[in-house]
Amino acid sequence: DAGVTQSPTHLIKTRGQQVTLRCSPKSGHDTVSWYQQALGQGPQFIFQYYEEEERQRGNFPDRFSGHQFPNYSSELNVNALLLGDSALYLCASSSLSGGLYEQYFGPGTRLTVT
Amino acid sequence: RKEVEQDPGPFNVPEGATVAFNCTYSNSASQSFFWYRQDCRKEPKLLMSVYSSGNEDGRFTAQLNRASQYISLLIRDSKLSDSATYLCVVKRNAGNMLTFGGGTRLMVKP
Repeated sequence: DAGVTQSPTHLIKTRGQQVTLRCSPKSGHDTVSWYQQALGQGPQFIFQYYEEEERQRGNFPDRFSGHQFPNYSSELNVNALLLGDSALYLCASSSLSGGLYEQYFGPGTRLTVT
Repeated sequence: RKEVEQDPGPFNVPEGATVAFNCTYSNSASQSFFWYRQDCRKEPKLLMSVYSSGNEDGRFTAQLNRASQYISLLIRDSKLSDSATYLCVVKRNAGNMLTFGGGTRLMVKP
């Protein structure tokens, strides 16, 4: 049973560029949440997707956007990258329709903005 | 003020010691509580949920005080493998968003 997978594992971008991160949820899960974890801090909630719609959003600017596909996988897009966007981006999956609220995290994508 | 606050540590303890971590949360709408463990450069993993009556899982005991908005984690007989960052997490019943504390780093020494 594959867990949550994310790609790429590492990424280096330049200020002003755009980036797309990808996540495949755990088998049987239909909900994907994205978190940003800066060095030395706890993860911060970005947004959550369920039934291909953004259901909840944390305190992040519109430069952060996402998408969920019919197969439940998800993308996180960040436009106009800033140095402060350097962080570990974590995807977590759960099953809202199945009442399985425990969130399983993927290994993350480490983004460095130079 | 952060919604979930933890002492960042590090807590340096010898093997076999008992160590306790505390966490406070500010939003009284918080309804579910958890401790996650995160190893260096890895993803967070659920250690245990925290129930109002307190709960135990082997060497780990979690307590919740809703009146004081305070959560604790006690680790008995510490092992080298317990070295990690422990994240206090709360969730409001509206939605499935997790709010994390900054984490407490534990280092268990031989």
